[in-house]
Amino acid sequence: TQLLEQSPQFLSIQEGENLTVYCNSSSVFSSLQWYRQEPGEGPVLLVTVVTGGEVKKLKRLTFQFGDARKDSSLHITAAQPGDTGLYLCAGANDYKLSFGAGTTVTVRA
Amino acid sequence: GAGVSQTPSNKVTEKGKYVELRCDPISGHTALYWYRQSLGQGPEFLIYFQGTGAADDSGLPNDRFFAVRPEGSVSTLKIQRTERGDSAVYLCASSLRGDNEQFFGPGTRLTVL
Repeated sequence: TQLLEQSPQFLSIQEGENLTVYCNSSSVFSSLQWYRQEPGEGPVLLVTVVTGGEVKKLKRLTFQFGDARKDSSLHITAAQPGDTGLYLCAGANDYKLSFGAGTTVTVRA
Repeated sequence: GAGVSQTPSNKVTEKGKYVELRCDPISGHTALYWYRQSLGQGPEFLIYFQGTGAADDSGLPNDRFFAVRPEGSVSTLKIQRTERGDSAVYLCASSLRGDNEQFFGPGTRLTVL
């Protein structure tokens, strides 16, 4: 049973378009992390958000953490084919990570 | 430097057989984790080692699953009497300490026929 719900499950867009992926939790975690996973590889950490209302930017990626620290979003501006992958959110309590099921993003050239 | 490595990358076995999956963490990382990722799902926590000891094995699904880390470095995940439902990608991760960023290996894809 996944404690974090991600939506949508699949997202296919044209290069240059924007996209947003959502992560909602039934629990409060000490921090929330976003990962990207490519086929045949393990997840790679993109960002960690800790404070309610926090916004972090990583080039074309913007991460938001809800005020109640139960929901988060990942927004990609002007998506590129290299952004294709499985995006996972994970709630962290000390050493333990609880992952959502992920959103598969496909960016068509 | 080298990342987390896992061997084998693929393992096909028959129902009822015993398998061992190996993880080589990043040198100097004291914390090691095993996760299982089923098709269409995110990774699911199995076990956490701090040094040689299993600090939290609450994610192991049943007593057919066991993991060791005898010298505080390499870890082996052992599955007895494999079942078709054990088919998944088994991921290993390591971190400097238990509360640091986890670095994942590429995983072992286990298929039980």
